[in-house]
Amino acid sequence: RKEVEQDPGPFNVPEGATVAFNCTYSNSASQSFFWYRQDCRKEPKLLMSVYSSGNEDGRFTAQLNRASQYISLLIRDSKLSDSATYLCVVRRYSTLTFGKGTMLLVSP
Amino acid sequence: DARVTQTPRDKVTEMGQEVTMRCQPILGHNTVFWYRQTMKQGLELLAYFRNRAPLDDSGMPKDRFSAEMPDATLATLKIQPSEPRDSAVYFCASGLWLENTGELFFGEGSRLTVL
Repeated sequence: RKEVEQDPGPFNVPEGATVAFNCTYSNSASQSFFWYRQDCRKEPKLLMSVYSSGNEDGRFTAQLNRASQYISLLIRDSKLSDSATYLCVVRRYSTLTFGKGTMLLVSP
Repeated sequence: DARVTQTPRDKVTEMGQEVTMRCQPILGHNTVFWYRQTMKQGLELLAYFRNRAPLDDSGMPKDRFSAEMPDATLATLKIQPSEPRDSAVYFCASGLWLENTGELFFGEGSRLTVL
C-alpha cells in the first residue's frame, strides 16, 4: 500500500462550485500534514498546513482525521485560477512524502 | 525575492552519458532535498541533506546516482551512466527545518530526457 494515496481525478467543475479532495495515509506515526499545489509544468508550492482541529484559509478548508488516517481539502467558490494538481503531503521525522496528486479543472 | 535555482532547466542526453544537475538553495535554509517526478510514480524522494550532511539517500539507485553538497550554496545530483528510465523532472527543494513545519521551497526543476 502506498504511503499517501489520492484520487488522481481529474475533477471537472464549473466556476463557483464547491469541490472536495480526499487523501489517505498509511503510517499512523505520521506527524504533520500539508496540501501543496502544483500548476502544469511548474514546481509544487505549499498551499496550507492541516491541523487536527481543522483550519481555513479564505476559500480553502483542510481537515484531518487521525483515527481514520484521512485528510481532506475543500475549495469553495472555485475560480479558474484554482485549476492545478493538489498534492497531499505527510511528514514523518525529517521527510515529506507526497501523494501523486489530484487534478482539478475549473471551467467557465 | 529568494528562490531555489536549478540548472540546467532542460537536458537531453544519450544513454550512457554523465548528467550533473546543480541547485542553489535559499540562503539560510539548512535542509536540501532532491526529488524526482514522473507521471507514473509522482514525486519520489531521492536524497536529503541537513546542514550539508547527507541524512538519507535510500531513495536513490546507488550504483549510478550520487548526491553531494560541497558547500552551503551548492547541491549536486549526478547520474553516471544515465539510462532512459532516468527521464524525469528532478526538483531540488530547500527549507528551514523546524518541528512540524512542512514548507519546502522548490526550484523550477531540471527536465531530463535520456534517449
